[in-house]
Amino acid sequence: KAGVTQTPRYLIKTRGQQVTLSCSPISGHRSVSWYQQTPGQGLQFLFEYFSETQRNKGNFPGRFSGRQFSNSRSEMNVSTLELGDSALYLCASISTATSRRETQYFGPGTRLLVL
Amino acid sequence: GENVEQHPSTLSVQEGDSAVIKCTYSDSASNYFPWYKQELGKRPQLIIDIRSNVGEKKDQRIAVTLNKTAKHFSLHITETQPEDSAVYFCAASKGGSYIPTFGRGTSLIVHP
Repeated sequence: KAGVTQTPRYLIKTRGQQVTLSCSPISGHRSVSWYQQTPGQGLQFLFEYFSETQRNKGNFPGRFSGRQFSNSRSEMNVSTLELGDSALYLCASISTATSRRETQYFGPGTRLLVL
Repeated sequence: GENVEQHPSTLSVQEGDSAVIKCTYSDSASNYFPWYKQELGKRPQLIIDIRSNVGEKKDQRIAVTLNKTAKHFSLHITETQPEDSAVYFCAASKGGSYIPTFGRGTSLIVHP
């Protein structure tokens, strides 16, 4: 099976702009989670989508939003970008197989730089 | 909610030495504890996991131990090699629809 894919891999934006990131999960995985990774802060959970519905949400401002499509692909949007939004954004999909249902399979990430 | 503390933040060892990374968690309902390895510029990948009904699990040079009473779990790497150099993340989860909470990561550096 193909792994989790994310596009684009790199992105440069300026303050005030908005950005949309895309994530395609492993075939058959219905849950997609998004994380923000910055040096020293580890993996900060943004939100999780399951069957096109947001199931869990982290402590990020409303500028961060997402959605999931019927094919389980997910998008994340950040509006009114701030310098502090510069980070690696990772998405992860979760296996639906009983024995591995908690394992998160990560994509390669999108590195966002806000100038 | 769950809180996961991970120590140390940086660990430097000589090739062949052992390395130990420790994590504590706060929610006694957590029952699944995965460890991820993230090499520079790459995605985090699961290297080993343990469930709350098991005290220890081994896979070649890596092992994980869990103390449910004290709510802490540790990753042990023996005979370290330069390719073990990476950031290691622990996590705790209640399983099901719950999202795992990650520690802040440990940067392991193995000197040849």
